[in-house]
Amino acid sequence: GENVEQHPSTLSVQEGDSAVIKCTYSDSASNYFPWYKQELGKGPQLIIDIRSNVGEKKDQRIAVTLNKTAKHFSLHITETQPEDSAVYFCAASIRNTGNQFYFGTGTSLTVIP
Amino acid sequence: KAGVTQTPRYLIKTRGQQVTLSCSPISGHRSVSWYQQTPGQGLQFLFEYFSETQRNKGNFPGRFSGRQFSNSRSEMNVSTLELGDSALYLCASSLIAGKTDTQYFGPGTRLTVL
Repeated sequence: GENVEQHPSTLSVQEGDSAVIKCTYSDSASNYFPWYKQELGKGPQLIIDIRSNVGEKKDQRIAVTLNKTAKHFSLHITETQPEDSAVYFCAASIRNTGNQFYFGTGTSLTVIP
Repeated sequence: KAGVTQTPRYLIKTRGQQVTLSCSPISGHRSVSWYQQTPGQGLQFLFEYFSETQRNKGNFPGRFSGRQFSNSRSEMNVSTLELGDSALYLCASSLIAGKTDTQYFGPGTRLTVL
């Protein structure tokens, strides 16, 4: 199966700075890479996703980049705000295996006001 | 449109008991997946259902089972509970199955086994 590694496990940034979270995957057949934000007591919330035929995708302050050759993808959050504080998970799904997602171990992001 | 709902939100059981968790997907979504989330193992895939059929299964013992009804609602059952089954159980729904699709998660059911 797929193995997804995520770094760092914790990240603290000053409000207004950027945050970057990186993930690597092992199976070259993976073709879908979502990112989820999980706040305390809640389920994961999809914040952005990217498919393997795209190298970069942006949505306001959030962007994701994908390097298929190196098998890594990254989440970039610019102009961070205190409400961005949460645990972020990356995931990967292998082509034609349905909706089985392999998750990274999570990054706890703290934005310091 | 209402999101994914899960009931109950919290459960306390003792070892050896069994438990049933329920999930109602987003209206119109036909695929339901279940995940177990623990501090030690993170988020792990349990199984996926579509059209009342199990499409995928993760590496969990047979004590973990599920089913899906004709209205796409799903239940998962854990029999002979063990202490290590204490976890947040998350349900996710997506529009279709068979190809990778965006999944939306519910708030989860927090199961504590004493």
